[in-house]
Amino acid sequence: GAGVSQTPSNKVTEKGKYVELRCDPISGHTALYWYRQSLGQGPEFLIYFQGTGAADDSGLPNDRFFAVRPEGSVSTLKIQRTERGDSAVYLCASSLLGPGSNSPLHFGNGTRLTVT
Amino acid sequence: AQSVTQPDIHITVSEGASLELRCNYSYGATPYLFWYVQSPGQGLQLLLKYFSGDTLVQGIKGFEAEFKRSQSSFNLRKPSVHWSDAAEYFCAVGASGGSYIPTFGRGTSLIVHP
Repeated sequence: GAGVSQTPSNKVTEKGKYVELRCDPISGHTALYWYRQSLGQGPEFLIYFQGTGAADDSGLPNDRFFAVRPEGSVSTLKIQRTERGDSAVYLCASSLLGPGSNSPLHFGNGTRLTVT
Repeated sequence: AQSVTQPDIHITVSEGASLELRCNYSYGATPYLFWYVQSPGQGLQLLLKYFSGDTLVQGIKGFEAEFKRSQSSFNLRKPSVHWSDAAEYFCAVGASGGSYIPTFGRGTSLIVHP
């Protein structure tokens, strides 16, 4: 079946611009996660959705970052006034059940964001 | 909160040799433990997971891992490495019954020499 899909696969933007990154999870998965992976590092948690609501956004680095999941399926990560330090691979994952369950995460291939 | 340590940044092995990648976790209760593999330009793929029961778990691609509570470890092993195993390997820990988000280690890069 279809896996987690992320678009675009690559995004280059200028410092100060606004970007949107899209994630289409596996159908039926209620939990959706965004992680950020910098070069040479493991995935770093950003935000987690259970259904339509952001159940935990404690990993968002500042108020320039925002994410939505209006219909409980597709999610969009939005970054305002991008900075060079935002350059990273943004990973989306979904799971059948939420954290604290034994549902493993299924990851997309990520969006590589480069801020020039 | 839980944490994960992968002490080896790089591991180099010869093709056909055995492999062990180390993972230590910190968590007060029984953890859920995972190993993921990431090939260049790809997302993370689940290799295996431990929730309960038998402490030796089998995964895909011939990998296995052993949960040792006394050592807070979940090391990944493979008896004979193939060149296609060259990738980045991540250990992750979740928590049972709570709202803990899966936490990942920094990864170990596996290099395979012919």
